[in-house]
Amino acid sequence: GAVVSQHPSWVICKSGTSVKIECRSLDFQATTMFWYRQFPKQSLMLMATSNEGSKATYEQGVEKDKFLINHASLTLSTLTVTSAHPEDSSFYICSARDWGAHGGGTQYFGPGTRLLVL
Amino acid sequence: QKEVEQDPGPLSVPEGAIVSLNCTYSNSAFQYFMWYRQYSRKGPELLMYTYSSGNKEDGRFTAQVDKSSKYISLFIRDSQPSDSATYLCAMSEIKAAGNKLTFGGGTRVLVKP
Repeated sequence: GAVVSQHPSWVICKSGTSVKIECRSLDFQATTMFWYRQFPKQSLMLMATSNEGSKATYEQGVEKDKFLINHASLTLSTLTVTSAHPEDSSFYICSARDWGAHGGGTQYFGPGTRLLVL
Repeated sequence: QKEVEQDPGPLSVPEGAIVSLNCTYSNSAFQYFMWYRQYSRKGPELLMYTYSSGNKEDGRFTAQVDKSSKYISLFIRDSQPSDSATYLCAMSEIKAAGNKLTFGGGTRVLVKP
């Protein structure tokens, strides 16, 4: 099956610093990747849709200047949390759409990155 | 009202029992239906993908879709303790921009040895 990796798996940083999270599709090309945020015991909340070679599309209420997304290649998307604050602490998960699987394509998820801002 | 409703559980069953999970939805434009399994502190893992109404079987898993009732189900036969996880239903429209998924809230399942 399609494999998506994320790096790092967890990160602790000081308030005010920026953190970059990488999402890679390992065995397929993904023109579209998605970034989610998940709070404990809650479902996934879509933050933004990342399209290769173009600007990301952000969901309502998500600050695009705070959560910078770059999709520079067909296998890599990055999420940068700028000037992180404790309220940004969360579990961030990416997914990649594989058009090769099932006619309509489906999303395969990375293992997630746990961010703790002190 | 949420677009996709899913009982949060927890659903506790003895080992070997059948686990029955379901989701209801309100958007008739949803055409693709998926079930994901998520272990604690891990990303969701795709279990089943269905498009049309009816049943689809894969090993111990059976997914059912009833578009007329806007109701989908997942059955897990011969449940094992390793099946203890949160199960998320997800769905999307055919022409949804970027194939965005709409998730249910997830059901926690606990299979007791």
